[in-house]
Amino acid sequence: GQNIDQPTEMTATEGAIVQINCTYQTSGFNGLFWYQQHAGEAPTFLSYNVLDGLEEKGRFSSFLSRSKGYSYLLLKELQMKDSASYLCVPSVEGGYQKVTFGTGTKLQVIP
Amino acid sequence: SQTIHQWPATLVQPVGSPLSLECTVEGTSNPNLYWYRQAAGRGLQLLFYSVGIGQISSEVPQNLSASRPQDRQFILSSKKLLLSDSGFYLCAWNREEGQPQHFGDGTRLSIL
Repeated sequence: GQNIDQPTEMTATEGAIVQINCTYQTSGFNGLFWYQQHAGEAPTFLSYNVLDGLEEKGRFSSFLSRSKGYSYLLLKELQMKDSASYLCVPSVEGGYQKVTFGTGTKLQVIP
Repeated sequence: SQTIHQWPATLVQPVGSPLSLECTVEGTSNPNLYWYRQAAGRGLQLLFYSVGIGQISSEVPQNLSASRPQDRQFILSSKKLLLSDSGFYLCAWNREEGQPQHFGDGTRLSIL
């Protein structure tokens, strides 16, 4: 099975930078997805890390360390619309059913 | 570009009534298709996935069923809804295993 650990909730100020950490334990690891889910809406894909290192995409960056089972999502220049849940989702070998979407980290951006 | 359509957006049904939710994908062929349910404050529960026409795998015993009559069409059905079937139903697709999944807007189902 999978074990994913990320904070349940975080609060950050508009314009600031926030880092959402995720540690995972899983066999057959392929890569790691980050998704954003606004309340009452469907998840949307943000990033996919396969190799170690930092991937930057506009205000959002994602980092992966395969050896440490660790990833983080970095959000810069926070905007109120970034208030959402952020889901850390390991991708594993061996089955379409093995992607687990948990409740993620609920980020609240305050003025 | 690829798009995924899911309807209806909201649905209110009485207990014991049938259900049919439809999902279609445009702009790609032979996608993998998925049905998820999300209860309030919970993660996504995978219900069904399909790798091709007529090929359905069920993940959780339910009074729900799924069908894939065409390459880009995925249908979620029930003959008799239960109160516990209430939730937010999401359809998703990806090109192949290990690729990101892309979700439809979801259907919010309330059972009375």
